[in-house]
Amino acid sequence: GAGVSQTPSNKVTEKGKYVELRCDPISGHTALYWYRQSLGQGPEFLIYFQGTGAADDSGLPNDRFFAVRPEGSVSTLKIQRTERGDSAVYLCASSLKAGNSPLHFGNGTRLTVT
Amino acid sequence: DQQVKQNSPSLSVQEGRISILNCDYTNSMFDYFLWYKKYPAEGPTFLISISSIKDKNEDGRFTVFLNKSAKHLSLHIVPSQPGDSAVYFCAASEGNFGNEKLTFGTGTRLTIIP
Repeated sequence: GAGVSQTPSNKVTEKGKYVELRCDPISGHTALYWYRQSLGQGPEFLIYFQGTGAADDSGLPNDRFFAVRPEGSVSTLKIQRTERGDSAVYLCASSLKAGNSPLHFGNGTRLTVT
Repeated sequence: DQQVKQNSPSLSVQEGRISILNCDYTNSMFDYFLWYKKYPAEGPTFLISISSIKDKNEDGRFTVFLNKSAKHLSLHIVPSQPGDSAVYFCAASEGNFGNEKLTFGTGTRLTIIP
């Protein structure tokens, strides 16, 4: 069956620009997560949604980062005024529900800020 | 500070032998632990997990051991196969069976030598 889909797979943008990264979770999964993986590091938690609401956004680094999930399915991670330090692979994952069901990750969006 | 540590960046093992990957953690509130496997250009894939109420969990060729007093866990793969070559991430979370907010280690690259 279809897994978690992330688009685009690669994004190159100039410093100061705005970017949107999209995540299509597995159908029927109510929980959705965003992680960020920098070079040589493990994935780092950003935010997770249970349904439409952000249940925990404590990992968002600053107010330039924002994520939405208006209909409880597709999610968009938005980054304003991008900085070179934002360059990383942004991973989205979904699970049946938050709790004890495993996270299924997408292949990520590689963001490069020049 | 790194709350989940994987001190071996890489490990090479002969095909058919046992692979042992280690992970240490510092946060005593962690009570659910997971291992993820990652191939290049793909998202992490869930492998096996263990709750802090157990000291061992086995799934086929994969066994995870947890030593709470030492704050140490390990993943054993036996026998090792070429397809096991990947980066392995240890992850932990607080809250029994919770996986909403995982803290990952930096990963160990396992290479299986045919």
